[in-house]
Amino acid sequence: NAGVTQTPKFRILKIGQSMTLQCTQDMNHNYMYWYRQDPGMGLKLIYYSVGAGITDKGEVPNGYNVSRSTTEDFPLRLELAAPSQTSVYFCASSYPGGWDPYEQYFGPGTRLTVT
Amino acid sequence: AQSVTQLGSHVSVSEGALVLLRCNYSSSVPPYLFWYVQYPNQGLQLLLKYTTGATLVKGINGFEAEFKKSETSFHLTKPSAHMSDAAEYFCAVSILTGGGNKLTFGTGTQLKVEL
Repeated sequence: NAGVTQTPKFRILKIGQSMTLQCTQDMNHNYMYWYRQDPGMGLKLIYYSVGAGITDKGEVPNGYNVSRSTTEDFPLRLELAAPSQTSVYFCASSYPGGWDPYEQYFGPGTRLTVT
Repeated sequence: AQSVTQLGSHVSVSEGALVLLRCNYSSSVPPYLFWYVQYPNQGLQLLLKYTTGATLVKGINGFEAEFKKSETSFHLTKPSAHMSDAAEYFCAVSILTGGGNKLTFGTGTQLKVEL
């Protein structure tokens, strides 16, 4: 298993541009999550999904959108990039029906800079 | 709602010395607690977790943590620090709900190991 994969690894955007951060997991996990990490702030939940077609807002959803058309994929969309969205983005997944429903598996992250 | 407080954003120890990273949590229901480690420019790796059962939890790389309900703490320790332990450490709390097992992270502690 590749686990959770994220693309791209790095990206520089200009203010006002849009982009999609890709996240794919091959563990057949129902739950998927997007976090952003800022220095000294820990990780904050942006959006999460409990299954295909079902998404919900986390703690810091403004400026982002998500969709979940398949179990495997959970892309994060930035429509109008702003400098405040400069961050490292992590995707994670978990399986509520397994023997360890609490553990989340993280991807390697996407480092985004908006200038 | 749950929250996590990590005391000390930076901790420095000598190689071979005891490592103690502090974590206190707040939760209205029985919590599930995690410690993650992040090496430079990498994703998060699970060190150890407490869900139920024994309150002293052993993890990878010689780390352990003890869940103390009366003190609402989950401090991370390692008897003897190694240079390779230098990294950022995150404590997190989770509850499992119909909306997923969302993690709430602390702000992180940067561990420096000196010769």
